[in-house]
Amino acid sequence: KAGVTQTPRYLIKTRGQQVTLSCSPISGHRSVSWYQQTPGQGLQFLFEYFSETQRNKGNFPGRFSGRQFSNSRSEMNVSTLELGDSALYLCASSSGTGATEAFFGQGTRLTVV
Amino acid sequence: AQSVTQPDIHITVSEGASLELRCNYSYGATPYLFWYVQSPGQGLQLLLKYFSGDTLVQGIKGFEAEFKRSQSSFNLRKPSVHWSDAAEYFCAVGGVLTGGGNKLTFGTGTQLKVEL
Repeated sequence: KAGVTQTPRYLIKTRGQQVTLSCSPISGHRSVSWYQQTPGQGLQFLFEYFSETQRNKGNFPGRFSGRQFSNSRSEMNVSTLELGDSALYLCASSSGTGATEAFFGQGTRLTVV
Repeated sequence: AQSVTQPDIHITVSEGASLELRCNYSYGATPYLFWYVQSPGQGLQLLLKYFSGDTLVQGIKGFEAEFKRSQSSFNLRKPSVHWSDAAEYFCAVGGVLTGGGNKLTFGTGTQLKVEL
């Protein structure tokens, strides 16, 4: 069974640009969550999508957005990039119903210069 | 609000020695508890989970954890550490939210170094 796939693995962007990250969850999983990991703030929850709808949202500015497609694949978009957006972005896949564990992808390392 | 405290930022143990990583949580209802491990530049791998039932849970790679409700703790243990266990370990708490779904709150992590 294939795991969670995130693409690309590495990105370098310039301040002010926008970026789109992709996540393909485990087959059969309907929930995709996104987390930001930085040395200063640790692991922080961005948002969760379930059946193409945003179900939960963390405390991030509106520049951070996402969507989910009918095949459960999800994309996360960050507009008007700031230096502080440099981070490892992790996607987590779960069944989305009841008590369930989350399985993480390898992450996308975003560097904003 | 839910929170997780991992009081040890760094721990060094000798290969073959026993290991205990501490985790304390704050959660308003019955928590779901997890331990994840992360190698440099990699994602998070689930070591074990607690949802309900037996308070001593077994995970992969010989790890176990014990849920103690009275102490709000979920400490991770391993009887004999291997050099390949060197990594960062994260404790996380979650639960089913009002509108459904899960949100994990992570501790700040414990960096484990293993001396040969």
